[in-house]
Amino acid sequence: SSELTQDPAVSVALGQTVRITCQGDSLRSYYASWYQQKPGQAPVLVIYGKNNRPSGIPDRFSGSSSGNTASLTITGAQAEDEADYYCNSRDSSGNHHVVFGGGTKLTVL
Amino acid sequence: EVQLVESGGGLVKPGGSLRLSCAASGFTFSSYSMNWVRQAPGKGLEWVSSISSSSSYIYYADSVKGRFTISRDNAKNSLYLQMNSLRAEDTAVYYCAREISSSWYVYFDYWGQGTLVTVSS
Repeated sequence: SSELTQDPAVSVALGQTVRITCQGDSLRSYYASWYQQKPGQAPVLVIYGKNNRPSGIPDRFSGSSSGNTASLTITGAQAEDEADYYCNSRDSSGNHHVVFGGGTKLTVL
Repeated sequence: EVQLVESGGGLVKPGGSLRLSCAASGFTFSSYSMNWVRQAPGKGLEWVSSISSSSSYIYYADSVKGRFTISRDNAKNSLYLQMNSLRAEDTAVYYCAREISSSWYVYFDYWGQGTLVTVSS
């Protein structure tokens, strides 16, 4: 089965730009989606498809992809963006499974 | 407003069984594939199982295959997860999630609040 790899932790100064990455072979075939999860809460979808934001997600969140790497960029990080971020995609093994990255803890300094 | 509300979690002994439910509202439940995703305490998200809108296609993670059974009742707008032969490593918050997918992507646009399953003697 496929795997998605994320850096365990990333930090960013308030108001600066941060990129969170997700690597995996499945990303050569499928777009990644991104979720934000705050402590004690369910995950919230923030980016899906090529670079789409659900209603209510601020436009400081954007997504991109190149080769086997997908990225979530937060331009002008806010204190409320401090959270865990997970990527996911379809497993490229042909088994129709879904895979998640291990998650990245974002700290806003 | 789309709502997904899980129930049925609790404390169960190793080897025991539990049935989770997810009540859906605010959308045409019978038109969407649905999934279960779990999160062990302090750990990341793990996909568990998916079921297509008409129950024609069902998939399981290797870690639960043969022990868990996903099902749905479109007349009752409900999703279920029957969990048998439970192990300590099945301890997690279990979320139901609505799936949107195509040939190029899969994502979960709505999630329930989760229900905690604890497997311990």
